[in-house]
Amino acid sequence: GQQLNQSPQSMFIQEGEDVSMNCTSSSIFNTWLWYKQDPGEGPVLLIALYKAGELTSNGRLTAQFGITRKDSFLNISASIPSDVGIYFCAGRPYGGSQGNLIFGKGTKLSVKP
Amino acid sequence: SQTIHQWPATLVQPVGSPLSLECTVEGTSNPNLYWYRQAAGRGLQLLFYSVGIGQISSEVPQNLSASRPQDRQFILSSKKLLLSDSGFYLCAWSVPEEYTFGSGTRLTVV
Repeated sequence: GQQLNQSPQSMFIQEGEDVSMNCTSSSIFNTWLWYKQDPGEGPVLLIALYKAGELTSNGRLTAQFGITRKDSFLNISASIPSDVGIYFCAGRPYGGSQGNLIFGKGTKLSVKP
Repeated sequence: SQTIHQWPATLVQPVGSPLSLECTVEGTSNPNLYWYRQAAGRGLQLLFYSVGIGQISSEVPQNLSASRPQDRQFILSSKKLLLSDSGFYLCAWSVPEEYTFGSGTRLTVV
């Protein structure tokens, strides 16, 4: 089946540093979404991308839908302690059932004050 | 506004006991509904999804079942829990692309 390769698996950074994570696939995707999960909570949608090349920001977060439609990245600028959590990419593959997303395995972010 | 309710938040059950987790959605009609399990705080494993009342698709053979008796109600069940059923269970809905997740149920089977 189709899979998303999300990297890195985990990151340990200093407060104030920028963060970058990405998802790639061998298949074309029509939609890319980025979620954040705080410990003990359900994932919350951060950014949704619907067009190839689309670049969208949400505060200190920026995500892009890759031109090839096979990848997406999420950047976090000037990280703060509350950025800690697990970040998931998700996408709907071309030709996939509408509404059925494929999720990456997550990037666990730790921020040292 | 659209909201999703999932309960209970935590549950400790003995091996062999039954399970019923409930998820309800408000403020939307005919949503796609999903049950996920998350082990060890990492990846999301899709267990079941439903596109309508009484319509359930299972992604992974297992000791669990799901039912959708009403448009905005999704139930995850088991007749006899196994130790391996422990985990964090998440309900989600989508209309149509973006998923909204519930706050999760932490199930510990002892």
